[in-house]
Amino acid sequence: EPEVTQTPSHQVTQMGQEVILRCVPISNHLYFYWYRQILGQKVEFLVSFYNNEISEKSEIFDDQFSVERPDGSNFTLKIRSTKLEDSAMYFCASSLGRQGAVGYTFGSGTRLTVV
Amino acid sequence: AQSVAQPEDQVNVAEGNPLTVKCTYSVSGNPYLFWYVQYPNRGLQFLLKYITGDNLVKGSYGFEAEFNKSQTSFHLKKPSALVSDSALYFCAVRDVTGGFKTIFGAGTRLFVKA
Repeated sequence: EPEVTQTPSHQVTQMGQEVILRCVPISNHLYFYWYRQILGQKVEFLVSFYNNEISEKSEIFDDQFSVERPDGSNFTLKIRSTKLEDSAMYFCASSLGRQGAVGYTFGSGTRLTVV
Repeated sequence: AQSVAQPEDQVNVAEGNPLTVKCTYSVSGNPYLFWYVQYPNRGLQFLLKYITGDNLVKGSYGFEAEFNKSQTSFHLKKPSALVSDSALYFCAVRDVTGGFKTIFGAGTRLFVKA
């Protein structure tokens, strides 16, 4: 079964550093998403991306965050200057279409620790 | 606005007993409802979904959920709990009015005692 792949599985970074989280969505999917889960808490929507632009973003997704699809396979989340409170599990997801029934798949996540 | 509520932070059940994890939702239009499970230090695993059709949906690991439109509920159930079912369970709704993001409930931690 096709999977959404996220790398690295765990990243430790110093406060103020830039970090890039990488995702490889399922190859024929068209919609891409990032979510965040602070340890043991609710999974929160960050951003959705379609047709090479952001289609929706939450209030968490401020100017420190950006997303990019640099080639036909990768989808990245960049945090420009990390803060301690950015420590969380970050999940990537992709879906084939706009219908909720059609293949919406989450990756296994990247645990980001900011020290 | 679409939203989902899980009224219980934690559910405790003895192994072999039936379990129920509650979820209620609020949507405009037809709901797309999901349950996900998260084991410690792991990602989100899809359990089951309701899109249309039969109100009783069967999913992975023996779980099922019952869609109740009049009560706007989508409770997760299992006839006989296992210790290995202990995990964090998230109910979710797909936002079909906007960018098709998934909106998660706060999660319910299930503890199954031997």
